[in-house]
Amino acid sequence: DQQVKQNSPSLSVQEGRISILNCDYTNSMFDYFLWYKKYPAEGPTFLISISSIKDKNEDGRFTVFLNKSAKHLSLHIVPSQPGDSAVYFCAASYLNRDDKIIFGKGTRLHILP
Amino acid sequence: KAGVTQTPRYLIKTRGQQVTLSCSPISGHRSVSWYQQTPGQGLQFLFEYFSETQRNKGNFPGRFSGRQFSNSRSEMNVSTLELGDSALYLCASSLRGLSYNSPLHFGNGTRLTVT
Repeated sequence: DQQVKQNSPSLSVQEGRISILNCDYTNSMFDYFLWYKKYPAEGPTFLISISSIKDKNEDGRFTVFLNKSAKHLSLHIVPSQPGDSAVYFCAASYLNRDDKIIFGKGTRLHILP
Repeated sequence: KAGVTQTPRYLIKTRGQQVTLSCSPISGHRSVSWYQQTPGQGLQFLFEYFSETQRNKGNFPGRFSGRQFSNSRSEMNVSTLELGDSALYLCASSLRGLSYNSPLHFGNGTRLTVT
């Protein structure tokens, strides 16, 4: 049972345009969501997070949107740069509860020149 | 501040053998968690240790086990290796655990190949 789904295994976006990566979750008890970015041969690095009390969180070129009623979050990267080419993992957990974290399968983002 | 260190980077083992992977967390981090990454399944949570106690566990068979030492360093052991255990094994540390607004800091992983 996949509790966190990233339905697009890959995405190609022109440099300078907006990249939108999507993530759906099934467990309405999740209240803390994170995005991680992974380059080949390296471990994932934390990108941005959002708690369920917000619907948007912004950090530079990266913005995460949360739609609780749809159990959907998205990561927007504007403008997309070549260094953004990586695998992006969405993750869901609990803000104030000691419990496991669930990752999606990842979306490979290709930024085209 | 040194990052999360995993050793070894690469391992080749044969079916039926056992393997031990090591992880040194960021200084001051008491939570260490382990993940298996495969092309088809993405990142799957194995278990989390906090102050030498296993606090959370994923859905993996008992062949996968771990422990944490008093200095927060952690080891993961896989016994009776199967071909399907070939994967990248990632360790992550955090200040307060998997939740609590405490992002994970990952090591670069150990690539295990079972032949």
